[in-house]
Amino acid sequence: KAGVTQTPRYLIKTRGQQVTLSCSPISGHRSVSWYQQTPGQGLQFLFEYFSETQRNKGNFPGRFSGRQFSNSRSEMNVSTLELGDSALYLCASSLATLTGFPGELFFGEGSRLTVL
Amino acid sequence: KQEVTQIPAALSVPEGENLVLNCSFTDSAIYNLQWFRQDPGKGLTSLLLIQSSQREQTSGRLNASLDKSSGRSTLYIAASQPGDSATYLCAVIKAAGNKLTFGGGTRVLVKP
Repeated sequence: KAGVTQTPRYLIKTRGQQVTLSCSPISGHRSVSWYQQTPGQGLQFLFEYFSETQRNKGNFPGRFSGRQFSNSRSEMNVSTLELGDSALYLCASSLATLTGFPGELFFGEGSRLTVL
Repeated sequence: KQEVTQIPAALSVPEGENLVLNCSFTDSAIYNLQWFRQDPGKGLTSLLLIQSSQREQTSGRLNASLDKSSGRSTLYIAASQPGDSATYLCAVIKAAGNKLTFGGGTRVLVKP
């Protein structure tokens, strides 16, 4: 059974550009959530999608957005990149239910973004 | 606001010694607590999930306990091996949604 797949694994962008990251969850998982990991702030929750709807959102500016497709694959987008956006972006999927039962989270290998 | 703390931030032990990793959280109204392992530059690997109704979970050499009333969880790793060297993270989740709140992690080095 394939795990959570994230692409690309590494990317380098310059300030002001935008970036799109992709996440394919474990088959059958309808919940996909995104996290940012930096040395200074640790792991922080960005947002969660369930059945194409954003269900939870963390405390990040509107430059950070996401979406989920009907096959549960998800993308996140960061516009107008800043140096501080350099981080490891992790995607997780779970068997969370519509009523909110969380389930165990499984993470991908992450997308490492460097902003120059 | 939920806060999760892991102390110590780093730990070094000789091979064969048992590891004891601590995690504390401020809001006891959690649904699950999950322990993860992260190797340098890699994603997170789920080790154990403890539901709020459970007191402990075991998998091989790993055992995790949960005391909701005191806001604590402990991860025990028996007979440590150099391959256990990694950063261990605990995270808690409330009932609605999948928002995990993570601790800062404990970096473990097991010396051969």
